Amino acid sequence: DAKTTQPPSMDCAEGRAANLPCNHSTISGNEYVYWYRQIHSQGPQYIIHGLKNNETNEMASLIITEDRKSSTLILPHATLRDTAVYYCIVRVVQLSFGAGTTVTVRA
Amino acid sequence: GAGVSQSPRYKVAKRGQDVALRCDPISGHVSLFWYQQALGQGPEFLTYFQNEAQLDKSGLPSDRFFAERPEGSVSTLKIQRTQQEDSAVYLCASSFARLGVQNTGELFFGEGSRLTVL
Repeated sequence: DAKTTQPPSMDCAEGRAANLPCNHSTISGNEYVYWYRQIHSQGPQYIIHGLKNNETNEMASLIITEDRKSSTLILPHATLRDTAVYYCIVRVVQLSFGAGTTVTVRA
Repeated sequence: GAGVSQSPRYKVAKRGQDVALRCDPISGHVSLFWYQQALGQGPEFLTYFQNEAQLDKSGLPSDRFFAERPEGSVSTLKIQRTQQEDSAVYLCASSFARLGVQNTGELFFGEGSRLTVL
């Protein structure tokens, strides 16, 4: 599976949009981009995934560049409960987690 | 509940002791994964089952680690002669998708079993 690169941490203000970048320059054509998050002491939670089109669900939006070498997860209105480690993963079969981005939402 | 259930939630073992960790996946889920998560790190893949078949065990760190899913439902991860470096949270995840054929599908994770080896 391709590797991903994410910033180790970021802060965002409550009520504002949080934009989480991810680079996956070696992604291959059959690999999907997945985002999971892990709130302290819980198992990872699925957020969204996509192949090449932008995707939106009730939790977030996923913007994938045309060359598929990078993507951005957008949390449109961050709340304190969105404080978590966010993992960007490209996947064929099993998920291969990196270190993720620790997002801290401040009031 | 309807989610992935893992037991025990917490296990303290003495070095050299054998442990068994259980995972009850969501009913009907074909695929089952085990991950190991050390403190402050992301989960690391251990092994993957499709029904009762163990299709990938490339992540198991040593031959002291053994996983089984004999009837294609409940899975057990066994660690023999535990060492301090085995201390971690062991996460189980399941998916309805038959991965490898359908390479999509959400993985549902349990809350993990925290193993501490003294």
